[in-house]
This record gives sequence, structure tokens and C-alpha cells, in this order.
Amino acid sequence: SQTIHQWPATLVQPVGSPLSLECTVEGTSNPNLYWYRQAAGRGLQLLFYSVGIGQISSEVPQNLSASRPQDRQFILSSKKLLLSDSGFYLCAWSALREGEQYFGPGTRLTVT
Amino acid sequence: KNEVEQSPQNLTAQEGEFITINCSYSVGISALHWLQQHPGGGIVSLFMLSSGKKKHGRLIATINIQEKHSSLHITASHPRDSAVYICAVGSNFGNEKLTFGTGTRLTIIP
Repeated sequence: SQTIHQWPATLVQPVGSPLSLECTVEGTSNPNLYWYRQAAGRGLQLLFYSVGIGQISSEVPQNLSASRPQDRQFILSSKKLLLSDSGFYLCAWSALREGEQYFGPGTRLTVT
Repeated sequence: KNEVEQSPQNLTAQEGEFITINCSYSVGISALHWLQQHPGGGIVSLFMLSSGKKKHGRLIATINIQEKHSSLHITASHPRDSAVYICAVGSNFGNEKLTFGTGTRLTIIP
């Protein structure tokens, strides 16, 4: 069966510090991968999606970036965090040519 | 860009009541998703539908493509159904870039 992992589960970082969140998927090949953010009191927002290694599409211009160095690995990064980057970050995957998405457990990021 | 609206924003009901959550969207879609977010934050996909009706246990989801409207029903509600229910729409089936509603917070009182 397929499993999606995210780490860390929680993170407290000072403003201006770098960020690296990792997501890995097991049990499937060539998944579509997604990064979402849920700011406090707001709905989910798609940040990045990827249909293959090295293929990243950005949905919202910001100081975050994403990379997909391996088929089942998706990384969200920032060189310098802003207070507004605080939120709940979710990774998700879907099978090729299928619409249903499966979400990871999420990372709760607090920028202080 | 698709606008997704859910109603109500908050809903409190007694155990056993029949629950309805509504979702409307502004632009044609490939599929509509209903998601459940538990208090810890984890999200589970409940339904993905592009027409008609789907049923899973006590949950029923319907969609009317012409009216751009979907409903999620819960029969015989239980306190464990307490969660945030999120509607999301996709525009490109197979590479779903989802647009989300802001969610409906459901509380079922024993």
C-alpha cells in the first residue's frame, strides 16, 4: 500500500532562517506531488506541484521554492523565512491520470 | 479562477441528526473533492466526484454540474464526525490543481 511521510511534524524557526521540509511517498511510482499551505484561519492554498523529477510548477509567487530530486521525494525550501510563512504545510500525492489526492500528516511551522 | 464557497461555516448538531454541508463553485470543473480535516490537522479524502452521487457508509455526496453545486450529507451523525469538512474543485483531471473552500467546522454533541 502507499504511504506518504512528512517531517518534521512541528518546527519553530526565527525570521530570516532557512527552511527545508521533506516529503516522501512509498508504494507508487511517478506520482504527481503537491505542496499546500494552510495559514491560520484560512483555507488550503496550492503552493507547488510536480509531475516528474525536476519538473516544478509554482502557483503562488513568494519566497518559497520546491525541488524534486527523486521520483518520490518532494522538498519545500526557503532561504529566509518571513513571519507570514507560518502555517500548516501539507504534502499530497496523486497517481498519474487519477484525480484523487492523498495527504501527508503535515508540518506545523511557526516563524517567530 | 474558480471561486469555491461553502455553507455553513460552522455547524453544531445533536448526535443522530442528519447533516448537510453545501459547496458552490463559479467555473466548470473536472472533479469535486470532499475532504475531512481532523483536529490534529490530518486530511483524509472522502469523495471525488464529477457527476451524480456517491455513498460511503453514512456519508453521501451529490453534485449538480449544471447548477455548479455539491452537497455532503451525513446520516445518523456521531461525535466522531466532528471535524472540518472541505470542498475542493479541480480543473484538469489527472493533474489536479485544486481550489479549496474555507471549510465547514462540524461539531456533533452527544
